[in-house]
Parts: sequence; C-alpha cells; structure tokens
Amino acid sequence: DAKTTQPPSMDCAEGRAANLPCNHSTISGNEYVYWYRQIHSQGPQYIIHGLKNNETNEMASLIITEDRKSSTLILPHATLRDTAVYYCIVRVGSGGNEKLTFGTGTRLTIIP
Amino acid sequence: GAVVSQHPSWVICKSGTSVKIECRSLDFQATTMFWYRQFPKQSLMLMATSNEGSKATYEQGVEKDKFLINHASLTLSTLTVTSAHPEDSSFYICSARALGNRGKSPLHFGNGTRLTVT
Repeated sequence: DAKTTQPPSMDCAEGRAANLPCNHSTISGNEYVYWYRQIHSQGPQYIIHGLKNNETNEMASLIITEDRKSSTLILPHATLRDTAVYYCIVRVGSGGNEKLTFGTGTRLTIIP
Repeated sequence: GAVVSQHPSWVICKSGTSVKIECRSLDFQATTMFWYRQFPKQSLMLMATSNEGSKATYEQGVEKDKFLINHASLTLSTLTVTSAHPEDSSFYICSARALGNRGKSPLHFGNGTRLTVT
C-alpha cells in the first residue's frame, strides 16, 4: 500500500492561499490521491481527488506532479472555518474493497 | 451531495453493557460500509469493512466477537460494541460509498459517535 507523508502542522493567514504538501513516492499507476479534512469532533469531509491531472472544485485545487510522487492541496482563500486536520490518502485495494487508510495528516491553523 | 448519518451522536454506557451504533446512507445505496475508530489526538483507524448480505471483514487486531457488525440492507450498517469496557471509549465513525461507483467515487463519512464507557 502506498503511504503518504505530510507535515504535522502548518499555519496560514486568513485570506491567503493555503498550500498543503503531500509525498506519496510509492504510489502505483492506478491509485488515486484523495484529500479529506476533519474539523474537531466531526467525521472527515471529502475535499477532492485526482489521478494524474490537476483538479479543481468549489473547495480546492489539487496539483499532482508529473511523476505522481507528490501533490499539493490548495485552498485559494483560507478562512477561519478551514482550520482542521487535512489528510492526504492514496486509495488502496480494488474490486470493491477500496478502503481508505488515514495517516497522521496536517493540522492547518488559519490565523486571523 | 451524498449524506451518511450516524446515530447516536454520543452515548454513555456502563461497563459490561452493549451499545449499538447505526450508520445510514440517506440518499444512496451502499454495498460496502467502513467502520473506523479514533482515539483522542490520533488518526482514524479502520476497524472493519461491512458488506451487505455477507460477513464483515475485520482488520488485524480487531475482535470480531466484541465488535459485531451487521449490514442488513443497502442503506444500513450497525456496529455493536459488546461487553463494553472503559478502554472502548472512543470516537466511532462510519463511511460509505455509493453503489456502482467503484474505484473512483469518494467515500462519505458520518459525523461520528462518541462512546464513553464508565
């Protein structure tokens, strides 16, 4: 199973872009990169996922390097409500047993 | 968007009793649901995979006779913590994936159940 490495914590000023890095150097060719976040005492919230190409939705952008060994989640205009633990996950398994294995994540604090 | 509901959101029980937690997919059907456990200041740990109409698959180190999982329909999975002990106090979270979207769709998570065993 491909594992991910994330910095344990980051700060970002409110209104600025938050860039959260993730290393997944052992990722396989058919594995997707998923990002979730968890606000205190809540269940994880899906943010975005991608395979090769960069992706953007209403919440964030995902930039995946060409060799797919790392990615960056970008929150374009961070607000205080974006304070959470962000998890970068590589989808493991196939054929229906596609469980997600959570690492320790990055605790992002948005500073007023 | 896809919604997963858990009930109860919190529960306090006495040591030795059993507690049942429900996980429902409200607007989609799910053949597979996952149960996680999270201790304070730690990440989510997968406990088991719940399969509709068949036995659950448990992760290594998780006692299947203690954590009973039933996935009786395409919208409901239950986790029963039997003979609860204080060390079972934790945040239990379920997740589900919509039927027919294997491999690419995200898993959706419930808001968790905080269990306190006294």
